[in-house]
Amino acid sequence: GAGVSQSPSNKVTEKGKDVELRCDPISGHTALYWYRQSLGQGLEFLIYFQGNSAPDKSGLPSDRFSAERTGGSVSTLTIQRTQQEDSAVYLCASSPVLGRGGKTQYFGPGTRLLVL
Amino acid sequence: AQSVTQLGSHVSVSEGALVLLRCNYSSSVPPYLFWYVQYPNQGLQLLLKYTSAATLVKGINGFEAEFKKSETSFHLTKPSAHMSDAAEYFCAVSDRRQGGKLIFGQGTELSVKP
Repeated sequence: GAGVSQSPSNKVTEKGKDVELRCDPISGHTALYWYRQSLGQGLEFLIYFQGNSAPDKSGLPSDRFSAERTGGSVSTLTIQRTQQEDSAVYLCASSPVLGRGGKTQYFGPGTRLLVL
Repeated sequence: AQSVTQLGSHVSVSEGALVLLRCNYSSSVPPYLFWYVQYPNQGLQLLLKYTSAATLVKGINGFEAEFKKSETSFHLTKPSAHMSDAAEYFCAVSDRRQGGKLIFGQGTELSVKP
């Protein structure tokens, strides 16, 4: 079946511009996660959505970052007023978790963001 | 707070040799533990996970890992390396009390020499 898809695969933007990154999770998965992978910081958790519960935003690095998940499916990560330090690969993952942790997260191929 | 430490950012082995990638974790509660592999320009793929069943966990591609509570370790091993094992490997921990967000180690790049 189809895996997690992300678009665009690559994005180049100028400092100060806003960007939107999209994630399509595996159909039926109730949990969706965003992570960031950068040379300096490794793999970092950003935000987590689980069903209709309030998202866990504890990993968002600043208020320039936000995310939403519409209809319990597609998610968009928005970065406002991009900075050069936002350059990274943004990974999305989904999971069929119904309880607490332990379920496998399936990762998309990522969006490579470069801020000039 | 939970954390993961992977000893060695780069490991090089010869083809056919034992692969040992080290992972130590810190957690105030019994953790779930994971090993993921990342091939160049690809996303992460689950190799194996520990969720408190058997302490010796077998995964894909001949990899296995053993959970040792006394040593707070979850090292990844494979008896005989193959060229196709060259990739970056990440150990991760998640908290049973939370929604499963993963805390990753810094990663270990595995090189396999012919």
